[in-house]
Amino acid sequence: SYVLTQPPSVSVAPGRTARISCGGSNIGNNIVHWYQQKPGQAPVLVVFDDSDRPSGIPERFSGSNSGNTATLTISRVEAGDEGDYYCQVWDAGSDHPCVFGTGTKVTVL
Amino acid sequence: QVTLRESGPALVKPTQTLTLTCTVSGFSLRTSGMCVNWIRQPPGKALEWLARIDWDDEKYYSTSLKTRLTISKDTSKNQVVLTLTDMDPVDTATYYCARSGFTGTTFVYWGQGTLVTVSS
Repeated sequence: SYVLTQPPSVSVAPGRTARISCGGSNIGNNIVHWYQQKPGQAPVLVVFDDSDRPSGIPERFSGSNSGNTATLTISRVEAGDEGDYYCQVWDAGSDHPCVFGTGTKVTVL
Repeated sequence: QVTLRESGPALVKPTQTLTLTCTVSGFSLRTSGMCVNWIRQPPGKALEWLARIDWDDEKYYSTSLKTRLTISKDTSKNQVVLTLTDMDPVDTATYYCARSGFTGTTFVYWGQGTLVTVSS
Protein backbone atom coordinates (compact mmCIF):
# COMPACT_ATOMS: atom_id res chain seq x y z
CA SER A 1 0.00 0.00 0.00
CA TYR A 2 0.93 3.66 -0.31
CA VAL A 3 3.65 4.84 2.10
CA LEU A 4 4.09 8.36 3.41
CA THR A 5 7.50 9.03 4.95
CA GLN A 6 8.20 11.82 7.42
CA PRO A 7 11.37 12.71 9.33
CA PRO A 8 11.14 11.34 12.86
CA SER A 9 12.02 14.65 14.44
CA VAL A 10 12.48 18.33 13.74
CA SER A 11 13.97 20.79 16.21
CA VAL A 12 13.49 24.52 15.88
CA ALA A 13 14.19 27.61 17.96
CA PRO A 14 11.33 29.90 18.93
CA GLY A 15 10.59 32.48 16.27
CA ARG A 16 12.20 30.44 13.52
CA THR A 17 10.56 28.39 10.77
CA ALA A 18 9.93 24.65 10.92
CA ARG A 19 9.42 22.63 7.78
CA ILE A 20 8.06 19.08 7.95
CA SER A 21 8.24 16.95 4.85
CA CYS A 22 5.93 14.14 3.81
CA GLY A 23 7.32 12.00 1.02
CA GLY A 24 5.28 9.70 -1.19
CA SER A 25 5.28 8.54 -4.78
CA ASN A 26 3.67 11.30 -6.86
CA ILE A 27 2.08 12.71 -3.74
CA GLY A 28 1.51 15.90 -5.70
CA ASN A 29 -1.30 14.06 -7.49
CA ASN A 30 -3.08 13.56 -4.15
CA ILE A 31 -4.63 15.96 -1.69
CA VAL A 32 -2.72 16.12 1.60
CA HIS A 33 -3.95 17.01 5.06
CA TRP A 34 -1.94 17.68 8.21
CA TYR A 35 -2.69 17.04 11.89
CA GLN A 36 -1.07 18.22 15.09
CA GLN A 37 -1.18 15.95 18.13
CA LYS A 38 -0.14 16.94 21.61
CA PRO A 39 0.59 14.35 24.33
CA GLY A 40 -2.52 12.63 25.61
CA GLN A 41 -4.79 14.43 23.15
CA ALA A 42 -6.58 13.58 19.94
CA PRO A 43 -5.12 14.96 16.71
CA VAL A 44 -6.23 18.34 15.42
CA LEU A 45 -6.50 19.21 11.74
CA VAL A 46 -4.18 22.15 10.99
CA VAL A 47 -4.02 22.13 7.19
CA PHE A 48 -6.40 20.54 4.70
CA ASP A 49 -6.49 20.26 0.93
CA ASP A 50 -2.72 20.81 0.70
CA SER A 51 -2.72 24.42 1.90
CA ASP A 52 -6.00 25.54 3.48
CA ARG A 53 -6.42 26.21 7.17
CA PRO A 54 -9.47 25.38 9.27
CA SER A 55 -10.96 28.25 11.18
CA GLY A 56 -9.02 28.94 14.34
CA ILE A 57 -5.68 27.72 13.01
CA PRO A 58 -3.08 30.51 12.91
CA GLU A 59 -1.80 31.80 9.58
CA ARG A 60 1.64 30.64 10.74
CA PHE A 61 0.66 27.18 9.55
CA SER A 62 0.87 26.67 5.80
CA GLY A 63 1.22 23.76 3.40
CA SER A 64 2.41 22.94 -0.07
CA ASN A 65 2.40 19.82 -2.22
CA SER A 66 4.25 19.03 -5.43
CA GLY A 67 6.02 16.14 -7.05
CA ASN A 68 6.97 13.55 -4.45
CA THR A 69 6.90 15.80 -1.38
CA ALA A 70 4.31 17.68 0.62
CA THR A 71 5.48 20.16 3.21
CA LEU A 72 3.97 21.67 6.33
CA THR A 73 5.58 24.97 7.26
CA ILE A 74 5.24 26.54 10.68
CA SER A 75 6.44 30.14 10.72
CA ARG A 76 7.42 32.09 13.82
CA VAL A 77 7.38 28.91 15.87
CA GLU A 78 6.04 29.14 19.40
CA ALA A 79 6.45 26.80 22.36
CA GLY A 80 2.84 25.75 21.97
CA ASP A 81 3.58 24.31 18.52
CA GLU A 82 5.50 21.44 20.08
CA GLY A 83 3.97 18.05 19.38
CA ASP A 84 3.65 15.31 16.79
CA TYR A 85 2.58 16.10 13.24
CA TYR A 86 1.08 13.67 10.73
CA CYS A 87 0.35 14.02 7.04
CA GLN A 88 -2.59 12.11 5.57
CA VAL A 89 -3.89 11.24 2.15
CA TRP A 90 -7.25 9.87 1.06
CA ASP A 91 -7.25 8.03 -2.26
CA ALA A 92 -10.79 7.02 -3.13
CA GLY A 93 -9.55 4.85 -5.99
CA SER A 94 -7.42 2.66 -3.74
CA ASP A 95 -8.37 -0.53 -1.94
CA HIS A 96 -6.81 1.06 1.12
CA PRO A 97 -8.05 4.61 0.76
CA CYS A 98 -6.54 6.32 3.78
CA VAL A 99 -2.87 6.55 4.70
CA PHE A 100 -1.17 8.48 7.48
CA GLY A 101 2.45 9.49 7.45
CA THR A 102 4.98 8.08 9.88
CA GLY A 103 4.81 11.18 12.05
CA THR A 104 7.25 13.91 13.03
CA LYS A 105 7.97 15.10 16.53
CA VAL A 106 8.54 18.84 16.60
CA THR A 107 10.65 20.09 19.47
CA VAL A 108 10.90 23.78 20.26
CA LEU A 109 14.34 24.46 21.64
CA GLN B 1 -21.73 21.34 18.55
CA VAL B 2 -20.32 18.15 17.07
CA THR B 3 -19.05 15.60 19.56
CA LEU B 4 -17.95 11.97 19.33
CA ARG B 5 -17.38 9.67 22.28
CA GLU B 6 -15.80 6.23 22.19
CA SER B 7 -16.76 3.51 24.63
CA GLY B 8 -15.77 -0.09 25.14
CA PRO B 9 -13.63 -2.39 27.24
CA ALA B 10 -10.26 -1.18 28.46
CA LEU B 11 -8.88 -4.72 28.60
CA VAL B 12 -9.45 -7.70 26.33
CA LYS B 13 -7.81 -11.09 26.22
CA PRO B 14 -5.97 -12.48 23.21
CA THR B 15 -8.27 -14.14 20.65
CA GLN B 16 -11.30 -12.26 21.97
CA THR B 17 -13.40 -9.92 19.85
CA LEU B 18 -13.28 -6.19 20.57
CA THR B 19 -16.46 -4.18 20.21
CA LEU B 20 -16.21 -0.39 20.35
CA THR B 21 -19.03 2.11 20.14
CA CYS B 22 -18.82 5.70 18.93
CA THR B 23 -21.74 7.80 20.09
CA VAL B 24 -22.14 11.01 18.12
CA SER B 25 -24.07 14.21 18.69
CA GLY B 26 -24.50 17.49 16.86
CA PHE B 27 -25.16 15.78 13.53
CA SER B 28 -27.15 12.89 12.11
CA LEU B 29 -25.63 9.73 10.66
CA ARG B 30 -28.42 9.91 8.05
CA THR B 31 -27.35 13.28 6.68
CA SER B 32 -25.83 13.17 3.21
CA GLY B 33 -22.06 13.54 3.37
CA MET B 34 -21.64 12.29 6.93
CA CYS B 35 -18.85 9.76 7.29
CA VAL B 36 -17.46 8.29 10.52
CA ASN B 37 -14.08 6.63 10.74
CA TRP B 38 -12.14 4.54 13.24
CA ILE B 39 -8.45 5.27 13.68
CA ARG B 40 -6.04 3.73 16.18
CA GLN B 41 -2.67 4.59 17.63
CA PRO B 42 -0.45 2.08 19.45
CA PRO B 43 1.46 3.63 22.36
CA GLY B 44 4.27 5.80 21.02
CA LYS B 45 3.46 4.98 17.42
CA ALA B 46 1.78 6.55 14.42
CA LEU B 47 -1.89 6.84 13.58
CA GLU B 48 -3.45 3.98 11.62
CA TRP B 49 -6.78 4.28 9.80
CA LEU B 50 -9.06 1.29 10.22
CA ALA B 51 -12.47 1.79 8.66
CA ARG B 52 -15.14 4.25 7.54
CA ILE B 53 -18.90 4.12 7.20
CA ASP B 54 -20.88 6.65 5.20
CA TRP B 55 -24.39 8.05 5.55
CA ASP B 56 -25.54 5.73 2.74
CA ASP B 57 -23.98 2.68 4.47
CA GLU B 58 -21.00 2.53 2.10
CA LYS B 59 -18.08 0.98 3.98
CA TYR B 60 -14.32 1.10 3.58
CA TYR B 61 -11.73 -1.02 5.37
CA SER B 62 -8.00 -1.16 5.93
CA THR B 63 -6.70 -3.84 3.58
CA SER B 64 -4.38 -5.24 6.24
CA LEU B 65 -7.20 -5.74 8.75
CA LYS B 66 -10.17 -6.23 6.45
CA THR B 67 -10.75 -9.87 7.37
CA ARG B 68 -11.02 -8.97 11.07
CA LEU B 69 -12.96 -5.70 10.95
CA THR B 70 -16.64 -4.89 10.76
CA ILE B 71 -18.09 -1.39 10.91
CA SER B 72 -21.79 -0.69 11.27
CA LYS B 73 -24.13 2.03 12.43
CA ASP B 74 -27.37 2.41 14.32
CA THR B 75 -28.85 5.71 13.20
CA SER B 76 -31.62 5.57 15.79
CA LYS B 77 -29.02 5.53 18.55
CA ASN B 78 -26.54 7.85 16.79
CA GLN B 79 -23.90 5.17 17.14
CA VAL B 80 -21.17 3.65 14.99
CA VAL B 81 -19.85 0.27 16.07
CA LEU B 82 -16.50 -1.31 15.24
CA THR B 83 -15.69 -4.95 15.87
CA LEU B 84 -12.19 -6.38 15.62
CA THR B 85 -11.89 -10.13 15.93
CA ASP B 86 -9.04 -12.31 17.13
CA MET B 87 -7.37 -9.63 19.23
CA ASP B 88 -3.62 -9.80 19.75
CA PRO B 89 -1.26 -7.80 21.98
CA VAL B 90 -0.14 -5.85 18.89
CA ASP B 91 -3.70 -4.48 18.72
CA THR B 92 -3.10 -2.61 21.97
CA ALA B 93 -3.79 1.01 21.09
CA THR B 94 -5.88 4.09 21.66
CA TYR B 95 -8.87 3.82 19.37
CA TYR B 96 -10.42 7.02 18.03
CA CYS B 97 -13.57 7.66 16.09
CA ALA B 98 -13.54 10.71 13.85
CA ARG B 99 -16.02 12.40 11.54
CA SER B 100 -14.91 13.34 8.09
CA GLY B 101 -15.33 16.75 6.56
CA PHE B 102 -17.78 17.17 3.71
CA THR B 103 -15.28 16.04 1.11
CA GLY B 104 -14.88 12.80 3.04
CA THR B 105 -11.09 12.99 2.91
CA THR B 106 -10.21 14.72 6.19
CA PHE B 107 -10.86 14.02 9.85
CA VAL B 108 -12.33 17.20 11.26
CA TYR B 109 -13.93 16.08 14.50
CA TRP B 110 -12.35 13.51 16.83
CA GLY B 111 -13.39 11.71 19.95
CA GLN B 112 -11.07 11.74 22.93
CA GLY B 113 -10.01 8.15 22.26
CA THR B 114 -10.21 5.01 24.33
CA LEU B 115 -7.19 2.90 25.29
CA VAL B 116 -7.62 -0.82 24.71
CA THR B 117 -5.02 -3.19 26.14
CA VAL B 118 -4.77 -6.76 24.94
CA SER B 119 -3.36 -9.02 27.61
CA SER B 120 -4.08 -12.33 29.22
